[in-house]
Amino acid sequence: QVHLVESGGGVVQPGTSLRLSCAASGFSFSIYGMHWVRQAPGKGLEWVALIWFDGSKKYYADSVKGRFTISRDNSKNTLYLQMNSLGAEDTAVYYCARCLSTGCSLDYWGQGTLVTVSS
Amino acid sequence: QSALTQPASVSGSPGQSIAISCTGTSSDVGGYNYVSWYQQYPGKAPKIMIYDVSERPSGVSNRFSGSKSGNTASLTISGLQAEDEADYYCSSYTGSSTFYVFGTGTKVTVL
Repeated sequence: QVHLVESGGGVVQPGTSLRLSCAASGFSFSIYGMHWVRQAPGKGLEWVALIWFDGSKKYYADSVKGRFTISRDNSKNTLYLQMNSLGAEDTAVYYCARCLSTGCSLDYWGQGTLVTVSS
Repeated sequence: QSALTQPASVSGSPGQSIAISCTGTSSDVGGYNYVSWYQQYPGKAPKIMIYDVSERPSGVSNRFSGSKSGNTASLTISGLQAEDEADYYCSSYTGSSTFYVFGTGTKVTVL
């Protein structure tokens, strides 16, 4: 079955960087687009980024554009999110999710990894 | 890209039907048939309930249905059950460089 496992979260200081990973299994990773979505404590879902199945196209929320980079390694079935210049507003649980069909709905989600930005 | 607008809360008694609205613009909800709905329990990852406005993934109860009219989409839960008490989020493809947007979320309470 489809399994997505995020890792790399933790407590970091403002202005620093962090890279999240999402290990995929149970499906053909290389033919699916993948999303990152975040949820600040007690808040709603916020879409963060999307990468095409082959990495040829990438899309970002305005709130992270220029600071975050989504990438993937299809040989390792792994999705990444490089996060730079982190601020308190980036504190959230970060989820990776698979893209379903043309509209790219999110059909399978990982359990999430918590990123806390605090001095 | 602004978040889609949902009511903060909706409640109903067991067995009743409730509807959650999701209002966007002609650039997102109204412009494409790519609205999805997600259910989230506290501390858990979201689960897809509806995609492409009204399609139900395998395994999702047929008590959940989706529709759209103009710039507003709706999720209807019929035969409300205690297990339906959760947060619900809509989302839409935007056709822009930001690609995707979620709604503000609705807490469903079963009285």
